[in-house]
Amino acid sequence: QQPVQSPQAVILREGEDAVINCSSSKALYSVHWYRQKHGEAPVFLMILLKGGEQKGHEKISASFNEKKQQSSLYLTASQLSYSGTYFCGTETSGFGNEKLTFGTGTRLTIIP
Amino acid sequence: DTGVSQDPRHKITKRGQNVTFRCDPISEHNRLYWYRQTLGQGPEFLTYFQNEAQLEKSRLLSDRFSAERPKGSFSTLEIQRTEQGDSAMYLCASSAPSPWEPMYLNTEAFFGQGTRLTVV
Repeated sequence: QQPVQSPQAVILREGEDAVINCSSSKALYSVHWYRQKHGEAPVFLMILLKGGEQKGHEKISASFNEKKQQSSLYLTASQLSYSGTYFCGTETSGFGNEKLTFGTGTRLTIIP
Repeated sequence: DTGVSQDPRHKITKRGQNVTFRCDPISEHNRLYWYRQTLGQGPEFLTYFQNEAQLEKSRLLSDRFSAERPKGSFSTLEIQRTEQGDSAMYLCASSAPSPWEPMYLNTEAFFGQGTRLTVV
């Protein structure tokens, strides 16, 4: 079952902060965050592993609540380049691969 | 190495025709994935290779779809007797688990630009 993301869309002014949430009905072993601009490939941002390890970009942070099967992505001091659609991808098998079930997406628009 | 490359970038075909797409992963990556993405939706898993072995196929993948990865390098995805519902972006991704991890933990997957298929 597809994870649910919220909000579906958000418009921010440059410099403002944003939080994007991802919620799953299944137990999660890892959560992967991607950003996709129109007509382009999804770009890896962050991975959160069960047990607390994280890998990702310096200016982006995220949290992973294993008990609630939720993850949140925090974008601080947003820049114009942050615009795009953000997807969370969840891995529920426990096999440690990148077979991901992607969420519904959050469209982020940054305006000057 | 410039990343995952896919060919062609665009394909228009008539209903009933067969099409084949190619994916060249990042050279040292042993895992390769095919995903399908329709407008406004997130990518949807189709199939997964570790080296040359196809380890998993989505139940959504009908018998008209077949994928190969000979010698564990590039991969091809073939769709036979295309239908209008096959119109989508077909994305390939690759990854390489760290051999130094005690278990093969998740790692980042790198996506290609995709092949946009339009069935008319």
